[in-house]
Amino acid sequence: ETGVTQTPRHLVMGMTNKKSLKCEQHLGHNAMYWYKQSAKKPLELMFVYSLEERVENNSVPSRFSPECPNSSHLFLHLHTLQPEDSALYLCASSQVLAVERYEQYFGPGTRLTVT
Amino acid sequence: GQNIDQPTEMTATEGAIVQINCTYQTSGFNGLFWYQQHAGEAPTFLSYNVLDGLEEKGRFSSFLSRSKGYSYLLLKELQMKDSASYLCAALPGDYKLSFGAGTTVTVRA
Repeated sequence: ETGVTQTPRHLVMGMTNKKSLKCEQHLGHNAMYWYKQSAKKPLELMFVYSLEERVENNSVPSRFSPECPNSSHLFLHLHTLQPEDSALYLCASSQVLAVERYEQYFGPGTRLTVT
Repeated sequence: GQNIDQPTEMTATEGAIVQINCTYQTSGFNGLFWYQQHAGEAPTFLSYNVLDGLEEKGRFSSFLSRSKGYSYLLLKELQMKDSASYLCAALPGDYKLSFGAGTTVTVRA
């Protein structure tokens, strides 16, 4: 059992739907991350929130919109997705400014299917 | 960009030893991580190396050579539960963790 929870665990949505993924960390960390994991491909970093500041990967399409209302919660808002966006979306958290213990703790992920 | 390479698949017998190699090329370097990911589950942290040498943790050991841009994860006394994907990840200068595609290890009885 990790200290990072994600809901929902599975989501099926049409291309015209709007949905949100939620992540919550109970570890007192000050950085949170969204990753996309597709089959046989490396984890792709999508967004980082660190010390209240958002660091965005420029290659992420605007149909993905993150929100971090506080250091414990992270959302990923989805709208007008494409079938190729189907993947496992993983949330992670870590404690920055402590490089020697920089490991990220992952949530169980949301399996997203876009139909 | 960053480049992390590791083999796609490895198979070994229960009780044996398997070594998973990883090479990396990054802009700056702040450490090398190994994660284990069972099918359908979240990646879990195994090890972190920032200095050259071998770090041992029970049946698992991780090695780093910064000059060669090389690391390996050594799994000893393999058990069936060790069947999983093992992810190599390098922490470059911008602190954005960069992952390899993962090595799927299958342990056979």
